[in-house]
Amino acid sequence: ILNVEQSPQSLHVQEGDSTNFTCSFPSSNFYALHWYRWETAKSPEALFVMTLNGDEKKKGRISATLNTKEGYSYLYIKGSQPEDSATYLCARSGSARQLTFGSGTQLTVLP
Amino acid sequence: EAQVTQNPRYLITVTGKKLTVTCSQNMNHEYMSWYRQDPGLGLRQIYYSMNVEVTDKGDVPEGYKVSRKEKRNFPLILESPSPNQTSLYFCASSLSGTTNEKLFFGSGTQLSVL
Repeated sequence: ILNVEQSPQSLHVQEGDSTNFTCSFPSSNFYALHWYRWETAKSPEALFVMTLNGDEKKKGRISATLNTKEGYSYLYIKGSQPEDSATYLCARSGSARQLTFGSGTQLTVLP
Repeated sequence: EAQVTQNPRYLITVTGKKLTVTCSQNMNHEYMSWYRQDPGLGLRQIYYSMNVEVTDKGDVPEGYKVSRKEKRNFPLILESPSPNQTSLYFCASSLSGTTNEKLFFGSGTQLSVL
């Protein structure tokens, strides 16, 4: 994998469903993995920054895991709510100074 | 309130007319950066600055200029805008610029160049 890839590009889920999406990235020279939540017409906001293989982070109903050896991170949302509707961006760093962003997963939670 | 402030939110201009998008942060952050967001692509870095008077090119610097005369301000300058610079622009900052720190983003500037 040469770039940061996110899948799926978009998905629709029903309120109350749990969901997850993937961020794949080059595993060599890994430094950090970021997740951001971006609501339409607002600023992207940081959810998590992870650096160690096996890291797991949790914030309310949202959690993330990191596998640096195989180059992927999962973001999980438990019991999705309409207010979770947003684009979720991941970004990977191969050095201390440079972040490369994926194109995002657009989540729509239907009431 | 800690924030990154960008202005304007929306801007329509014509090819060749110089423009500046302002960015200011009130968190005493050393690191500031500009990104552009285009459909189907991730945020791409235009320029970044590690501190006052220290700036460097990102991935897509062509057609843009920046300056960092004060720690809090990092304006993005388009000397001669072209239609391919129509995009959504974000300014971001972090404490010292190491990538294990989260970025704080401004609210974005939607630029249309006719």
